[in-house]
Amino acid sequence: EPEVTQTPSHQVTQMGQEVILRCVPISNHLYFYWYRQILGQKVEFLVSFYNNEISEKSEIFDDQFSVERPDGSNFTLKIRSTKLEDSAMYFCASSTTTLQYFGAGTRLSVL
Amino acid sequence: GNSVTQMEGPVTLSEEAFLTINCTYTATGYPSLFWYVQYPGEGLQLLLKATKADDKGSNKGFEATYRKETTSFHLEKGSVQVSDSAVYFCALSEGEYGNKLVFGAGTILRVKS
Repeated sequence: EPEVTQTPSHQVTQMGQEVILRCVPISNHLYFYWYRQILGQKVEFLVSFYNNEISEKSEIFDDQFSVERPDGSNFTLKIRSTKLEDSAMYFCASSTTTLQYFGAGTRLSVL
Repeated sequence: GNSVTQMEGPVTLSEEAFLTINCTYTATGYPSLFWYVQYPGEGLQLLLKATKADDKGSNKGFEATYRKETTSFHLEKGSVQVSDSAVYFCALSEGEYGNKLVFGAGTILRVKS
């Protein structure tokens, strides 16, 4: 069964460093998303992406964040200068309809 | 804005007990409703969905009915198993394809043998 793949599973970084979280969505999907889940809290929407541009972003998704689909298969989330409060589980999702399929997530730890 | 409210957990049940996890929503239109499950150490898996009023979603013995009049989508299972222990998230998505999911806070379910 097709699945969304995320790498790495765990990323540790120093505050102020740049990180790139990678996702390979399901191959025929057209809509792509990033969500995050701070430990013990609800899953929060960050950004959605369609037709090579951002279709919606949340208040969390400020200038420190960017997304890119550099080729036909990858979908990346970049955080330019990480803060302690960026520590969370980041989930990538993809869809063709209203059904979104999630990856297993990348746990980002900012020290 | 749109929001989802779930009953607080954790919910602790004995094996074979009946499960209900309450979920209510606020939305400006007619959203699609979902239940996702997160097993320990794993990502989010779609459990079931309903796209219009009175629809019943079902999967793996779990059921939920879209109740427009009470703006609810409660999750039920007649007989839980230890393997059902997980975090359950109610979510909604409004409008056309590609719209974001809005999640509830999640409910931890613990099933004891």
